[in-house]
Amino acid sequence: QKEVEQNSGPLSVPEGAIASLNCTYSDRVSQSFFWYRQYSGKSPELIMSIYSNGDKEDGRFTAQLNKASQYVSLLIRDSQPSDSATYLCAVPLNSGGYQKVTFGTGTKLQVIP
Amino acid sequence: SQTIHQWPATLVQPVGSPLSLECTVEGTSNPNLYWYRQAAGRGLQLLFYSVGIGQISSEVPQNLSASRPQDRQFILSSKKLLLSDSGFYLCAWSGTSGRGRFFGPGTRLTVL
Repeated sequence: QKEVEQNSGPLSVPEGAIASLNCTYSDRVSQSFFWYRQYSGKSPELIMSIYSNGDKEDGRFTAQLNKASQYVSLLIRDSQPSDSATYLCAVPLNSGGYQKVTFGTGTKLQVIP
Repeated sequence: SQTIHQWPATLVQPVGSPLSLECTVEGTSNPNLYWYRQAAGRGLQLLFYSVGIGQISSEVPQNLSASRPQDRQFILSSKKLLLSDSGFYLCAWSGTSGRGRFFGPGTRLTVL
């Protein structure tokens, strides 16, 4: 099992719809989780972090965490064409006091006007 | 606020040539610094990380090396590039807790 798994997509949604991006992880002791957005040809940008079970909302973005199921998701409400990008899930893994962050391979989102 | 710079933005190099990529961070002290590589269609691969001046840890054995001569400067080098070294090289920083990564704009390297 990969440490961090994401569906590569592409996930296509119409403009104005809710986009749901999913990520599973293997390390049961992971305590923090991150979502990055990467536009084509650009570097990843941190958009959300979540540390406890439940939902965290920031504007049109909601991160959902379920530690029992080892599952984290990102919902994008009222999707816009400008949201079209690859979304990377990242999970720090404890390793000798240094937190090694493992990135998923990303889900490509396409928002259709 | 913190800013991270990388240069050059793009680079085309012949096989066997040397490499030097530089990264600097502004607006923070004693950051953790990282070099990642993202090959076409693949995920982010951690190459090196540093928790302080002169302290370098390698994650993947290869023909690359890294150095941290100053607190906010991180350099990626190679004596002889291989075709497989092509990719998008990203420098990142984090606080000492290690949470999150903040990436620079990246260097796109093509080895011919």
